Amino acid sequence: DAKTTQPPSMDCAEGRAANLPCNHSTISGNEYVYWYRQIHSQGPQYIIHGLKNNETNEMASLIITEDRKSSTLILPHATLRDTAVYYCTLGLTGGGNKLTFGTGTQLKVEL
Amino acid sequence: GAVVSQHPSRVICKSGTSVKIECRSLDFQATTMFWYRQFPKKSLMLMATSNEGSKATYEQGVEKDKFLINHASLTLSTLTVTSAHPEDSSFYICSARGGTGTYGYTFGSGTRLTVV
Repeated sequence: DAKTTQPPSMDCAEGRAANLPCNHSTISGNEYVYWYRQIHSQGPQYIIHGLKNNETNEMASLIITEDRKSSTLILPHATLRDTAVYYCTLGLTGGGNKLTFGTGTQLKVEL
Repeated sequence: GAVVSQHPSRVICKSGTSVKIECRSLDFQATTMFWYRQFPKKSLMLMATSNEGSKATYEQGVEKDKFLINHASLTLSTLTVTSAHPEDSSFYICSARGGTGTYGYTFGSGTRLTVV
């Protein structure tokens, strides 16, 4: 019952920007968009999250459309170490609210 | 930042035995923790929500008598796989949310369970 859809895979050249899209057309008004990534056989790593404004941190930028039905995660200068599965998910601000994951996007960064 | 420690990272057990996996929030208190299961090349599947001092809430289709969850303190939740069988072999991951200024959900490093 994942509420997000992502392309199953993407390739990116090292040093170029990686733009990973996510559709969340049924997002509710108080749900945040969270992005995580998972490198093989490790736990997911937090990247960024946002409600409706675009966000940027040391890892990535998050662009959320005005209607909030989709978003894009941008890795400005992808490196080989960014090869991972990237998950877009929705969550509420309350501490007990759970995150559920869709299938994610396998990003492969190549030379 | 918030750190969640999960132990053991790998475990091999015989069919019919039980295995306990620990999930600790190291620098914050977590009233709620979450347990996930992940099969190879698949996404994370939420198994249950672990609530400190009360019973866990299990997702539909997850056997509560098979996967025992205990959240006895604000920093520790345990998942016990009882009477393990080979089909229980999987990657189990916990997460927690909490800590001052915590932005989201912090995940443990996962436990690879192999039942032989």
